[in-house]
Amino acid sequence: GAGVSQSPRYKVAKRGQDVALRCDPISGHVSLFWYQQALGQGPEFLTYFQNEAQLDKSGLPSDRFFAERPEGSVSTLKIQRTQQEDSAVYLCASSHRRSQETQYFGPGTRLLVL
Amino acid sequence: EDKVVQSPLSLVVHEGDTVTLNCSYEVTNFRSLLWYKQEKKAPTFLFMLTSSGIEKKSGRLSSILDKKELSSILNITATQTGDSAIYLCAGLNNAGNMLTFGGGTRLMVKP
Repeated sequence: GAGVSQSPRYKVAKRGQDVALRCDPISGHVSLFWYQQALGQGPEFLTYFQNEAQLDKSGLPSDRFFAERPEGSVSTLKIQRTQQEDSAVYLCASSHRRSQETQYFGPGTRLLVL
Repeated sequence: EDKVVQSPLSLVVHEGDTVTLNCSYEVTNFRSLLWYKQEKKAPTFLFMLTSSGIEKKSGRLSSILDKKELSSILNITATQTGDSAIYLCAGLNNAGNMLTFGGGTRLMVKP
């Protein structure tokens, strides 16, 4: 399909383990966003890329969280030394225009840290 | 800090009922208000509202923005069980690079 895809769909990690979550945006979309959605809450902004440039990372909760988009398409969100409070669904979204309007979301990666 | 609040938190209705979901926002350099429907997976886009007082409609769903009151409503008429979902609203800033989401309204439509 032509939508945003994310992998893995589910990830179980032991506390202290590093994880990497992948996002494939819609082809040609300039902007890419990562959100964290805790159970029963709305998504919360983590970071934003325009092409390969990370223009805003103000939502990343700690320096254990790192995101990259080296070639301006696929993005990876890495969480180091995972903790139980990192358990959430991580959503990726992309949008077409630089000054974007509608964001299209992927299915998310559900992360459970034990 | 930007904030979006939705009410009610949850709602249970029967098929055929009409529901109104509320969203209020405080977003610096506000540009637009977006509504999404979230079932088990990704939020799917419903509406984007930029101008006050202009209703947008899609089938049984409609929405309107009130910039004076910093609020929006989403109406669903003749509800069906397939409308059961979490409805999210989000404020978009003027730079277009940040959506601030509300906590969502969980709607359950019973047969």
